[in-house]
Amino acid sequence: TQLLEQSPQFLSIQEGENLTVYCNSSSVFSSLQWYRQEPGEGPVLLVTVVTGGEVKKLKRLTFQFGDARKDSSLHITAAQPGDTGLYLCADTGTASKLTFGTGTRLQVTL
Amino acid sequence: NAGVTQTPKFQVLKTGQSMTLQCAQDMNHEYMSWYRQDPGMGLRLIHYSVGAGITDQGEVPNGYNVSRSTTEDFPLRLLSAAPSQTSVYFCASTKGGQFGFGYTFGSGTRLTVV
Repeated sequence: TQLLEQSPQFLSIQEGENLTVYCNSSSVFSSLQWYRQEPGEGPVLLVTVVTGGEVKKLKRLTFQFGDARKDSSLHITAAQPGDTGLYLCADTGTASKLTFGTGTRLQVTL
Repeated sequence: NAGVTQTPKFQVLKTGQSMTLQCAQDMNHEYMSWYRQDPGMGLRLIHYSVGAGITDQGEVPNGYNVSRSTTEDFPLRLLSAAPSQTSVYFCASTKGGQFGFGYTFGSGTRLTVV
């Protein structure tokens, strides 16, 4: 059974700070997706990474996929209160079955 | 553009009762899934479907049934509710395929079994 570990579990920072969260797998990812979930809502897809070494940027968010496709990171530059939420990584696996990590809960305060 | 619609949003059941969580999508997605989300455990796959008439078990299927008679609907049935099934349930759909097609999630059903 694949295990996806995310770190840190919780992160509380002030507006304007930078941060990085990590996702590590016990086995090679098929492809990796990052989602953000706000309270009372379902997860929303941020990005999909497929190729080892791939880097994608989404405004202030930078996603990296490890060369060996067993790890990934999400870096946020100049965090804003609107970035607050639960960040989840997920392996797409086969038949589009998602296996999720345990998540990193981010709080950004003014 | 409704996306994925789940009903009800909240439900309280007594132990032993049965109920159906409804899920409908209007995006003509082939793949649909049910997940449960518990504190500290992320989202875990209950059942999934790759098309009408085809369903399969996920990681935590015990105590739940599903059927997929149409592309649009994928209801989740709790046969005899137990306190361990207290959770937030999410339905999701995707176009399918191995890469690049992210899931669209509903806003969830918060279920409490007493």
